[in-house]
Amino acid sequence: DSGVTQTPKHLITATGQRVTLRCSPRSGDLSVYWYQQSLDQGLQFLIQYYNGEERAKGNILERFSAQQFPDLHSELNLSSLELGDSALYFCASSQTSQTPPRNEQFFGPGTRLTVL
Amino acid sequence: EDQVTQSPEALRLQEGESSSLNCSYTVSGLRGLFWYRQDPGKGPEFLFTLYSAGEEKEKERLKATLTKKESFLHITAPKPEDSATYLCAVQESQGAQKLVFGQGTRLTINP
Repeated sequence: DSGVTQTPKHLITATGQRVTLRCSPRSGDLSVYWYQQSLDQGLQFLIQYYNGEERAKGNILERFSAQQFPDLHSELNLSSLELGDSALYFCASSQTSQTPPRNEQFFGPGTRLTVL
Repeated sequence: EDQVTQSPEALRLQEGESSSLNCSYTVSGLRGLFWYRQDPGKGPEFLFTLYSAGEEKEKERLKATLTKKESFLHITAPKPEDSATYLCAVQESQGAQKLVFGQGTRLTINP
């Protein structure tokens, strides 16, 4: 158990709909990362938040957005869903406030999204 | 752009048969190279971080090594429970702390 929690585990929805994925980082971790894993693309970085602020963006579609709240949990919002958005979505967290910073990221169990 | 290539894509071994997985990388400056294990439908599980060429890390039957262009994950006398996909990722020394992953090596250990 990595200490990172994600809900829900599974999500089945229809094209055009909007969903919200939730992530709680490990205790004390300030950075949260979102990744998408599909069969053909592998694990792809979407976005990073650090202590409530957006830190970096990767291959995240404009239909997708995220935020990190004061209690450090994060939500990934996916809207106008398409069949191709079906994938595993992982959240990871890291402890970057130590000196020196610990760079390893610890992953949650993921949310499997199926768009029908 | 950072690139990570893992080989082979899949590897079948008999229990006790040692082997190595390869991870070749291209990055402008390396902050760290990471190895993860992923079981089907689960999140990647952190194994090792390597920071500089010549560094080695060990955990049970696994040993990871790093050169300036590649990393190896050596598995000694594997057991069926070592069956999983092994992922390699790099993190740049400048800019974002994102991980760039390879496609993974799917390892199967037959009893």
